Amino acid sequence: KAGVTQTPRYLIKTRGQQVTLSCSPISGHRSVSWYQQTPGQGLQFLFEYFSETQRNKGNFPGRFSGRQFSNSRSEMNVSTLELGDSALYLCASSLGSGSGYTFGSGTRLTVV
Amino acid sequence: GNSVTQMEGPVTLSEEAFLTINCTYTATGYPSLFWYVQYPGEGLQLLLKATKADDKGSNKGFEATYRKETTSFHLEKGSVQVSDSAVYFCALRSENQKVTFGTGTKLQVIP
Repeated sequence: KAGVTQTPRYLIKTRGQQVTLSCSPISGHRSVSWYQQTPGQGLQFLFEYFSETQRNKGNFPGRFSGRQFSNSRSEMNVSTLELGDSALYLCASSLGSGSGYTFGSGTRLTVV
Repeated sequence: GNSVTQMEGPVTLSEEAFLTINCTYTATGYPSLFWYVQYPGEGLQLLLKATKADDKGSNKGFEATYRKETTSFHLEKGSVQVSDSAVYFCALRSENQKVTFGTGTKLQVIP
């Protein structure tokens, strides 16, 4: 079956712009989570959506937002981009309780 | 809050050596425990998991046992290969579904 698909794979944006990243989970997975990965901070949790509702949220500023659609696809948006937002953004889906994640290959965002 | 502590890397081993990567956790109740692996340029892949105390997760020659008494989930492999070179992450999912990752341990296996 198809894995978790993230688009685009690479993005270059300018400071102050906004960006939208997309994630299509594995069919049947209703939970989608987003992580930011950087060499200095490691994996940092952004938020988790389950059945179109935000279930958990990490400690990121309000510039970071997300949503989930009825088909479980999810998007995350970052507004007013800063240089420090350059990172690999990973999306992961899961069946739920006790289940592990299946990760996508990530979107590499570079802010210049 | 919950936390996961992994041994600092990088860990450098010769091929066929024995591998242990330590992982301890802090959480209330009975979390599920996981090991993920990240190969260069890729996302994370679930390597193995254990959902209750004394469970042993295993996959591709790797093993880890859920030890409630020591709050540990150490990753082991009897004989590593060059292809095992990657970053390994320990993680837990708490009873309220929050997931916490460790900082990752880079493993380098040399021929």
